[in-house]
Amino acid sequence: GAVVSQHPSRVICKSGTSVKIECRSLDFQATTMFWYRQFPKKSLMLMATSNEGSKATYEQGVEKDKFLINHASLTLSTLTVTSAHPEDSSFYICSARDPRRETQYFGPGTRLLVL
Amino acid sequence: KQEVTQIPAALSVPEGENLVLNCSFTDSAIYNLQWFRQDPGKGLTSLLLIQSSQREQTSGRLNASLDKSSGRSTLYIAASQPGDSATYLCAAGYSTLTFGKGTMLLVSP
Repeated sequence: GAVVSQHPSRVICKSGTSVKIECRSLDFQATTMFWYRQFPKKSLMLMATSNEGSKATYEQGVEKDKFLINHASLTLSTLTVTSAHPEDSSFYICSARDPRRETQYFGPGTRLLVL
Repeated sequence: KQEVTQIPAALSVPEGENLVLNCSFTDSAIYNLQWFRQDPGKGLTSLLLIQSSQREQTSGRLNASLDKSSGRSTLYIAASQPGDSATYLCAAGYSTLTFGKGTMLLVSP
């Protein structure tokens, strides 16, 4: 089946640093990828839609200068949390839409802890 | 704006019981509806996907139904096992998915 990978799976960083998370679709080309955030015991909240070759579309309330998204190729999207603060600590999950099936496949998630 | 609600929020049953998890959505203009499983601290495992033109999907002991007109979907788990313990999420949408808050299931031996 389709596989989406995320790297790293877990990251701990100091407050003020920037963290980059990669999302890759391994066996299909994804023109559209999505980034979600999940707080403990809460559901997934869509942060932004990443479109290959164009700017990402951010959901209301998500700071685009804080969460930089780059979708430079059909198999890779990156999320950079800039100047991370403890309140950015969360579980970040990406998904990639397989255009052949119009289905989203989800990555395993990245747990970010900002000290 | 799509809103997805899952009932109950938590469910505890003894092993062997059949159970039903409920999901409702406000906007029936969906492309598909998906059910996922999430274990603590882990990512999502896709269980079943129902296209908007379909009424149900089955996989093993799992059966999911979809009624677009009423904005409802149910996930039926037959003969529950302790290994089924997890949070079950449903998500509905067209170009983007909206997730419910999940049902936390505990199946005791």
